[in-house]
Amino acid sequence: DAGITQSPRHKVTETGTPVTLRCHQTENHRYMYWYRQDPGHGLRLIHYSYGVKDTDKGEVSDGYSVSRSKTEDFLLTLESATSSQTSVYFCAISVQEQGGGYTFGSGTRLTVV
Amino acid sequence: SQQGEEDPQALSIQEGENATMNCSYKTSINNLQWYRQNSGRGLVHLILIRSNEREKHSGRLRVTLDTSKKSSSLLITASRAADTASYFCATYNQAGTALIFGKGTTLSVSS
Repeated sequence: DAGITQSPRHKVTETGTPVTLRCHQTENHRYMYWYRQDPGHGLRLIHYSYGVKDTDKGEVSDGYSVSRSKTEDFLLTLESATSSQTSVYFCAISVQEQGGGYTFGSGTRLTVV
Repeated sequence: SQQGEEDPQALSIQEGENATMNCSYKTSINNLQWYRQNSGRGLVHLILIRSNEREKHSGRLRVTLDTSKKSSSLLITASRAADTASYFCATYNQAGTALIFGKGTTLSVSS
């Protein structure tokens, strides 16, 4: 998707290991979001950011932390991965200052074994 | 918790037919948005309808909004196989800080 990339695209990790997912944007947008998508649950908000070093929790933030030291990068960290965190993770940016639509990345498929 | 809920969960139609999916939401909104997700891909923004609008068109898409019933519908006319995807409605949370998505309607269009 134009302007937003997620890495890695796929990852398999062991229970108890730390994992960091990266979201990178090239368009200097202020608002960035992390969602997870699971069958039967749709998309659920994990954390979001409204500027450098400004982040807040979403609906399912337990077990996750985020950091935003630069406008273009929003990192999602699983401090100690669990099998329940096996999911597809999507990053999104808001193309307007609040209230508008989002542009999504292509997702990271994370499997915790 | 989900703000919007789509109905039906799944819909199968033939090419050329129209597809209608519905979204109900719980609290007052400034706007409601529809997204499409092809298998294995990220969501793509389709259309945004503001709370003071009743109907909006974009190509073969027609969206209606009834704020008195807290509901919206997405109509895709003359469906094509390429329309096969999941469709999600989304509204902002109470604080207005992030979009909350429904669980989606899976549309299958067969040729």
